[in-house]
Amino acid sequence: ETGVTQSPTHLIKTRGQQVTLRCSSQSGHNTVSWYQQALGQGPQFIFQYYREEENGRGNFPPRFSGLQFPNYSSELNVNALELDDSALYLCASSWDRDQPQHFGDGTRLSIL
Amino acid sequence: EDQVTQSPEALRLQEGESSSLNCSYTVSGLRGLFWYRQDPGKGPEFLFTLYSAGEEKEKERLKATLTKKESFLHITAPKPEDSATYLCAVQHTGKLIFGQGTTLQVKP
Repeated sequence: ETGVTQSPTHLIKTRGQQVTLRCSSQSGHNTVSWYQQALGQGPQFIFQYYREEENGRGNFPPRFSGLQFPNYSSELNVNALELDDSALYLCASSWDRDQPQHFGDGTRLSIL
Repeated sequence: EDQVTQSPEALRLQEGESSSLNCSYTVSGLRGLFWYRQDPGKGPEFLFTLYSAGEEKEKERLKATLTKKESFLHITAPKPEDSATYLCAVQHTGKLIFGQGTTLQVKP
């Protein structure tokens, strides 16, 4: 059984640029959630997608957007990058909305 | 406001020295409390889900318990390989609300 995979593993961008992060869900999972984890902190919920529809959003500005595809893989897009966006971005999938979420190893995003 | 607080922030133990990690929460309509383990440079690894007060789950040297206001992760006779950050989260309308974690170091 393949777990959650994320790409790329590391990324360096400059302020004002745009970035797309990708996530492949665990086989059989129809729900994907994205989290931002700053150093030394717990993950913060960005949003969740269930069967290609947004199913809840955390306290993040609209420049954070996402997509879920028919094969349940997902993208996180961030526009107009700011220095504070530097963090580990985690994707998690589950076989339904309230079931245990299983995480990938994240994308480390650094903004210069 | 939904909130999760973990204590202590850091814990150092000698190998074999048992202890407990605490997770206090306030949430309306708890849909589950989750424990994860996170190693440096990795994503959180799912350990346990607890749904109702009085429930207990065990896995190797770890045992998780739940009351109406808090959860404990008991570590019995820890080994150096148990060193990691342990995260607690509550589920509310699909999203997980995490605490800041407890970083455990077990010395041989």
